Amino acid sequence: AAGVIQSPRHLIKEKRETATLKCYPIPRHDTVYWYQQGPGQDPQFLISFYEKMQSDKGSIPDRFSAQQFSDYHSELNMSSLELGDSALYFCASSPLTGQDYGYTFGSGTRLTVV
Amino acid sequence: SQKIEQNSEALNIQEGKTATLTCNYTNYSPAYLQWYRQDPGRGPVFLLLIRENEKEKRKERLKVTFDTTLKQSLFHITASQPADSATYLCALVSGGYNKLIFGAGTRLAVHP
Repeated sequence: AAGVIQSPRHLIKEKRETATLKCYPIPRHDTVYWYQQGPGQDPQFLISFYEKMQSDKGSIPDRFSAQQFSDYHSELNMSSLELGDSALYFCASSPLTGQDYGYTFGSGTRLTVV
Repeated sequence: SQKIEQNSEALNIQEGKTATLTCNYTNYSPAYLQWYRQDPGRGPVFLLLIRENEKEKRKERLKVTFDTTLKQSLFHITASQPADSATYLCALVSGGYNKLIFGAGTRLAVHP
């Protein structure tokens, strides 16, 4: 079965550079969530989209932005990168109305800022 | 403020024993609660969901209980195996668009 696809798997950027992370949700899942997980930390909610519109926002820095496109894939754009942005970034998708289902997470993008 | 607490110390048990992990929450009234498994460097994997009107849910060697009075969920793995070694995350849904809020997770190590 198709899963949530994230790219790239690994990314190394220098301070003050820009990074773009991509997420391809499971077909027919109408909600996408982005999470950031620092070393030894639990996943922290960043932002979510429902039917291509931003639906909720968490502790996402102003330097970050995200959008969901007409084909439902989502991109997280991170500018003016800081060392503290180094983390695993996960995307998850779910059918909003399907509360019987868990959320399907991608394998994540490991961002290292040097 | 809303808080989800899991035992931050690692749980070490012998193969074949039952592992029991605890999740406590405050200032939430969740309609349901979820448990995930996470291996190092990988995304969380959904295991079980239990609703507020369910006391217990089972799936193979897994069992989850949910006590809305105590605001607590217990997660059990029976006949544990070394392959069960991972971090287990408790998660609650928050907000109208159902974002998940995670606890810090408990690391389980099952020794042969």
